[in-house]
Amino acid sequence: ENVLTQSPATLSLSPGERATLSCRASQSVSSYLAWYQQKPGQAPRLLIYDASNRATGIPARFSGSGSGTDFTLTISSLEPEDFAVYYCQQRSNWYTFGQGTKLEIK
Amino acid sequence: EVQLVESGGGLVQPGGSLRLSCAASGFTFSSYWMHWVRQAPGKGLVWVSRINSDGSSTSYADSVKGRFTISRDNAKNTLYLQMNSLRAEDTAVYYCATSSSSPYNWFDPWGQGTLVTVSS
Repeated sequence: ENVLTQSPATLSLSPGERATLSCRASQSVSSYLAWYQQKPGQAPRLLIYDASNRATGIPARFSGSGSGTDFTLTISSLEPEDFAVYYCQQRSNWYTFGQGTKLEIK
Repeated sequence: EVQLVESGGGLVQPGGSLRLSCAASGFTFSSYWMHWVRQAPGKGLVWVSRINSDGSSTSYADSVKGRFTISRDNAKNTLYLQMNSLRAEDTAVYYCATSSSSPYNWFDPWGQGTLVTVSS
């Protein structure tokens, strides 16, 4: 199983700040990595696919980068609605998710 | 608008059974791969099962293999998950999601989820 490890577990920032979330795979996934946002009581929403492509309707402040085993989700300037839990997911070898990073208001 | 609506969750005793449904609308259901993903309370996301567009190919996570059965009725635009021999560790919100016309696409969109609680 390809294990995805996200860091940090919790990130405390203020609106307007830049957020950098990390996802590391135990085996290479090439560029087959996505990022999802989940708010309390809601389903996950696809943000970034194939490591760096924004899904339909996702604001430009969200960007993804990386390949192989190391990936980053960057939110350039946090808006109040961005505080949520973020999951990475790989589809290179079946499907696995990271354990999530909670982005909370400082 | 693409929409997925799950139903059928509830409280069930260990060893019991439950069938979840996922009603799809706004897209050509019969052309799409479908998946079930679950999330235990306060925990992360775990893929459970997938089915191809005509129902002829199914796959399962090891944790549910032999106990859960995924199926679909394309005439009714509905996906199912039959869950037997339920255990406490199956307690979770169950989401249906689509990966469009290929199993190698991303999960988008997802339904709102249905809660399954396995407890005596």
